[in-house]
Amino acid sequence: GQNIDQPTEMTATEGAIVQINCTYQTSGFNGLFWYQQHAGEAPTFLSYNVLDGLEEKGRFSSFLSRSKGYSYLLLKELQMKDSASYLCAVRDRDYKLSFGAGTTVTVRA
Amino acid sequence: IAGITQAPTSQILAAGRRMTLRCTQDMRHNAMYWYRQDLGLGLRLIHYSNTAGTTGKGEVPDGYSVSRANTDDFPLTLASAVPSQTSVYFCASSDSETGGNEQFFGPGTRLTVL
Repeated sequence: GQNIDQPTEMTATEGAIVQINCTYQTSGFNGLFWYQQHAGEAPTFLSYNVLDGLEEKGRFSSFLSRSKGYSYLLLKELQMKDSASYLCAVRDRDYKLSFGAGTTVTVRA
Repeated sequence: IAGITQAPTSQILAAGRRMTLRCTQDMRHNAMYWYRQDLGLGLRLIHYSNTAGTTGKGEVPDGYSVSRANTDDFPLTLASAVPSQTSVYFCASSDSETGGNEQFFGPGTRLTVL
């Protein structure tokens, strides 16, 4: 199984940078995903890492270190619309995802 | 239909009643999943299906059953609902034959069992 930890809440100012950390313990790692979920809506895919290193996609970047069981999601140039929950998920070799409880990010003006 | 749909959007159900949550996708994805999402616990996998005709148990399968008669549909049944099954239920699908293999989520069903 998977054991996934991420902070419960983070607050940041519009235009700033926020880093959401995720640590995991897994019995069979096959990729790490980050999803964004606005209140009352479905999760939507943000990023995917399967090899060590940084994946950049616009204002969002995700980093993975498999040896440390660690990932982070970096949100740059924060906008009010980035206020949401961010879910870290680890995929196993059967292609099933296990999710962390999510980090609620609040962006203040 | 475009993507993945769920029905109903929300439902209030008396304890002991039988309920089927519907999920349909038109992306021809091989794999489909049912999750429940509860405050503070995140998304937990109930059941999954890697391909039509096969199903498997996830982290919290008790009290739920699924079937996968064809590629598009993956209904979730609560045989006799209990209050602890009050939750938001999300269906998801993915194409297990592509590299990134992200899961696409339906809009969710908010279920309240009284």
